[in-house]
Amino acid sequence: SQQGEEDPQALSIQEGENATMNCSYKTSINNLQWYRQNSGRGLVHLILIRSNEREKHSGRLRVTLDTSKKSSSLLITASRAADTASYFCATSGATSGTYKYIFGTGTRLKVLA
Amino acid sequence: NAGVMQNPRHLVRRRGQEARLRCSPMKGHSHVYWYRQLPEEGLKFMVYLQKENIIDESGMPKERFSAEFPKEGPSILRIQQVVRGDSAAYFCASSPNLAGGISSYNEQFFGPGTRLTVL
Repeated sequence: SQQGEEDPQALSIQEGENATMNCSYKTSINNLQWYRQNSGRGLVHLILIRSNEREKHSGRLRVTLDTSKKSSSLLITASRAADTASYFCATSGATSGTYKYIFGTGTRLKVLA
Repeated sequence: NAGVMQNPRHLVRRRGQEARLRCSPMKGHSHVYWYRQLPEEGLKFMVYLQKENIIDESGMPKERFSAEFPKEGPSILRIQQVVRGDSAAYFCASSPNLAGGISSYNEQFFGPGTRLTVL
């Protein structure tokens, strides 16, 4: 099955609330990245976390990585309507080659004003 | 420094026609990757190219699809005799030319994509 699987598939929250999305993967990785995609648009790179890192912050984003559980989470704090988008994790690693990103199916986040 | 550029942004073809998608990597980048995104799905790796070389085409369908990255000009993804199932968004990404090759923490920069619709 898919290397990167996000859950939930869809998430609807009120503005100001926090949104948490999870990503699980199956094989060893070198790094994991999170991307945002607005409807019908391209990908925006959010954050990269390396396999030897456990947590990274960028503005309202917090990403954790647990290599023992082969999972990562993306937390968006104090969400805004503009955060409405699909969020994808992508892994690259030893078994797939460092250049071959494997994307999950995404979490569709809807932030209600 | 312009980002990765793709054109056209939208392409409509009838079944049996050819589709030609172009990608210009970021300045200073010599590695190009193509991904395909079907509706409601994540991106799937298709092919990795360097100038005049196909490094990995393991994600490319065996027939009708080809890719090139010539010494001069953009990378081209070519789909011959398109079928309705080829309708998708095709994304190109590029990464910098690092000494010794790609680093273990290769970051790819994505273009806006070309949305192909086959009628």
